[in-house]
Amino acid sequence: AQRVTQPEKLLSVFKGAPVELKCNYSYSGSPELFWYVQYSRQRLQLLLRHISRESIKGFTADLNKGETSFHLKKPFAQEEDSAMYYCALASSGNTGKLIFGQGTTLQVKP
Amino acid sequence: KAGVTQTPRYLIKTRGQQVTLSCSPISGHRSVSWYQQTPGQGLQFLFEYFSETQRNKGNFPGRFSGRQFSNSRSEMNVSTLELGDSALYLCASSPGPAGANVLTFGAGSRLTVL
Repeated sequence: AQRVTQPEKLLSVFKGAPVELKCNYSYSGSPELFWYVQYSRQRLQLLLRHISRESIKGFTADLNKGETSFHLKKPFAQEEDSAMYYCALASSGNTGKLIFGQGTTLQVKP
Repeated sequence: KAGVTQTPRYLIKTRGQQVTLSCSPISGHRSVSWYQQTPGQGLQFLFEYFSETQRNKGNFPGRFSGRQFSNSRSEMNVSTLELGDSALYLCASSPGPAGANVLTFGAGSRLTVL
């Protein structure tokens, strides 16, 4: 079965500390993975996709097919990074169907 | 460029009624996807439309339906409402077809069923 697992509901770190938001997936084909973010009182928005291999707002994510993981990392957390983060898997080609994880709330304390 | 617009933003219905939600995508976007968000189940895919054709459907009962118009605007309908249909319904658009998975979300329509 296709599935996305984010094991942590809440991750709390201090400003300046490294951050790693975990995401594991289950998919038999070649996965297309994304991280979406929702800041307080804002819309859900795309943060990054593994195909782009870019760094957005200091965040990076590497697809590890062997471990079926797509963890989101940032070396130094900022207070403005506090938000809900969702990992998502495109499960049916290019048809807008994403399977989302349950989300992890990142809380960055001053 | 205007974002994805969803109407109404909030609505309250009673069990057994039906509801229609509307979504206007970003200008030029031809793919529209719908998701249901609840605290218990999280974000779940409902269906996706491209060029007025439903290309994909999630695991929801037939009470949930949708359509897309020639101007790419989309509507979804839920008939015979149940308490469990209370949720935030999110619409997302994308350029399609190659970029159909890169979604721009609307603010959502929050449905409460009493």
